[in-house]
Amino acid sequence: GDSVTQMEGPVTLSEEAFLTINCTYTATGYPSLFWYVQYPGEGLQLLLKATKADDKGSNKGFEATYRKETTSFHLEKGSVQVSDSAVYFCALSEGGADGLTFGKGTHLIIQP
Amino acid sequence: DTEVTQTPKHLVMGMTNKKSLKCEQHMGHRAMYWYKQKAKKPPELMFVYSYEKLSINESVPSRFSPECPNSSLLNLHLHALQPEDSALYLCASSQDSSLSSGANVLTFGAGSRLTVL
Repeated sequence: GDSVTQMEGPVTLSEEAFLTINCTYTATGYPSLFWYVQYPGEGLQLLLKATKADDKGSNKGFEATYRKETTSFHLEKGSVQVSDSAVYFCALSEGGADGLTFGKGTHLIIQP
Repeated sequence: DTEVTQTPKHLVMGMTNKKSLKCEQHMGHRAMYWYKQKAKKPPELMFVYSYEKLSINESVPSRFSPECPNSSLLNLHLHALQPEDSALYLCASSQDSSLSSGANVLTFGAGSRLTVL
């Protein structure tokens, strides 16, 4: 079956540092890939997505590129802020109304 | 309106109580989902409704009973729950990409935090 593997953390960085959160996936077909973010006490918000190989999703300074050859969708940001502190989930969908397959989540802590 | 609204935000119930969680969306989405999320864990899929019909039930105990009265509403009826059922319950909706191209993007509500005593 489908699966998503991501570094669990916690990942602790200083403000303005460069961020990478690794995500790799296993899927039988050609999935769409997502990053969702969950702030404390809240639901999940879509951060960015990519639907096919070599697509780059971007939002709020975050980027991720769909790499089919390495089955990866790593999340990057050039300069993180304290307000980026949250849990980040990598996820995939094979399409249809089957829901999402989530990674275990990465807790990101940004210190001033 | 681009939101999924869940009520109540917090619920405390005893093991003999009957309560319901409610979810509403007005984005015209035809697929709606219930997820359960324990602390420091990813969401786990419970149920999916597609075009108001139950399409996925992930072997959820019968003490959880979903209902989809119409295309905008989704309920989760709770009865005789156990303390281990305490969790954040998330509702989500999507277009249902089976009939359209593009990614099936799920929009999540803020969740209902359930505590079972």
